Amino acid sequence: NAGVMQNPRHLVRRRGQEARLRCSPMKGHSHVYWYRQLPEEGLKFMVYLQKENIIDESGMPKERFSAEFPKEGPSILRIQQVVRGDSAAYFCASSLPGGTRMDNEQFFGPGTRLTVL
Amino acid sequence: KQEVTQIPAALSVPEGENLVLNCSFTDSAIYNLQWFRQDPGKGLTSLLLIQSSQREQTSGRLNASLDKSSGRSTLYIAASQPGDSATYLCAVMAGSARQLTFGSGTQLTVLP
Repeated sequence: NAGVMQNPRHLVRRRGQEARLRCSPMKGHSHVYWYRQLPEEGLKFMVYLQKENIIDESGMPKERFSAEFPKEGPSILRIQQVVRGDSAAYFCASSLPGGTRMDNEQFFGPGTRLTVL
Repeated sequence: KQEVTQIPAALSVPEGENLVLNCSFTDSAIYNLQWFRQDPGKGLTSLLLIQSSQREQTSGRLNASLDKSSGRSTLYIAASQPGDSATYLCAVMAGSARQLTFGSGTQLTVLP
């Protein structure tokens, strides 16, 4: 059973370009979470999605950032008009849909390291 | 607002020592607490998850305890090995929200 997959692993963009980060959850997981780890800082929650629904986007910057998790295909975190301050590691996690102990455990992908020049 | 603190920020020990990593959180109304390991440039590996109703969980040489009322958790690593060198992160899930709030981590170095 493959773990959480993220691609690309490394992404370089120039200021003003768009960045698209992809996340494929573990098989059977329908809940996806995105976290950001800025240099020398801890991981911060950004958004929580279920298939075709954004459940909690309280950690997402109000402008330039968006996320989706379509019925088919991976979850996408999109950053428009990137700035140098967006340089960070972006991690995706997934979990099972139920409410039991096992269901709430989050499993993380390897991350996408975004560098904005 | 939930805040998670980990002490110490860095720790260096000789191989074979038993060690304890500490995590504290400000809001005791948590659903669960998870300990992760992060290797440089890599993702997070889940080590142990403790539900709020539990006191401890064990996996191999690792034992995590939880005292919800005092807002504390400890990760005990027995007979440390150089391969245990990594950053250890503590994260809490609060109430009905599924987001994890992370501490800043303890960077562990086990010297051969």
